[in-house]
Amino acid sequence: AQKVTQAQTEISVVEKEDVTLDCVYETRDTTYYLFWYKQPPSGELVFLIRRNSFDEQNEISGRYSWNFQKSTSSFNFTITASQVVDSAVYFCALTHTGGTSYGKLTFGQGTILTVHP
Amino acid sequence: EAQVTQNPRYLITVTGKKLTVTCSQNMNHEYMSWYRQDPGLGLRQIYYSMNVEVTDKGDVPEGYKVSRKEKRNFPLILESPSPNQTSLYFCASSSQGTGTYQETQYFGPGTRLLVL
Repeated sequence: AQKVTQAQTEISVVEKEDVTLDCVYETRDTTYYLFWYKQPPSGELVFLIRRNSFDEQNEISGRYSWNFQKSTSSFNFTITASQVVDSAVYFCALTHTGGTSYGKLTFGQGTILTVHP
Repeated sequence: EAQVTQNPRYLITVTGKKLTVTCSQNMNHEYMSWYRQDPGLGLRQIYYSMNVEVTDKGDVPEGYKVSRKEKRNFPLILESPSPNQTSLYFCASSSQGTGTYQETQYFGPGTRLLVL
């Protein structure tokens, strides 16, 4: 069975601090995809990034960066110079690539990030 | 604008009164799915559809029905809602990958359902 663990339930930082959200996953698939989604207070789920299991390059997008390490089954997300607008719940997710439950996203429990001014 | 829409966004109903939550996407996506989000239980898949007339159960299908008569629409039907179906519901869609290739799923804005 697939599993995604986000051990940090809540994180609170002050604006301009850097913050890293941890994600650890378990899967028996050799090919899989990892995602991060953001859920702001308004409730929608916003896609942030997708990574496939063959691509361990880190990615940077503005203030966001992602560190994928297959050896430790981790896909961590860092926000540099956090802003109040980053306050949200962040979900890490893993998808099945075949067989039954094709395309199903297995989500972590989410990390509530609060950025104080 | 490419988007997934859901209606209604908010709904209060009573036990046993049949309801339908609609989901529509304008991206010509083959794959569509429904999830529910509950405190402490996270996001769980209810049903999914890989294309027109092809649907299958997710992790928590009990009490729900779906249909996929058109590519763009994937309604979620609660034939006899019960209070334990009070939840936040999300529809998602993506292009169909080939083999083990997976496209990104994009989510609708969510439907908050309260069953009294």
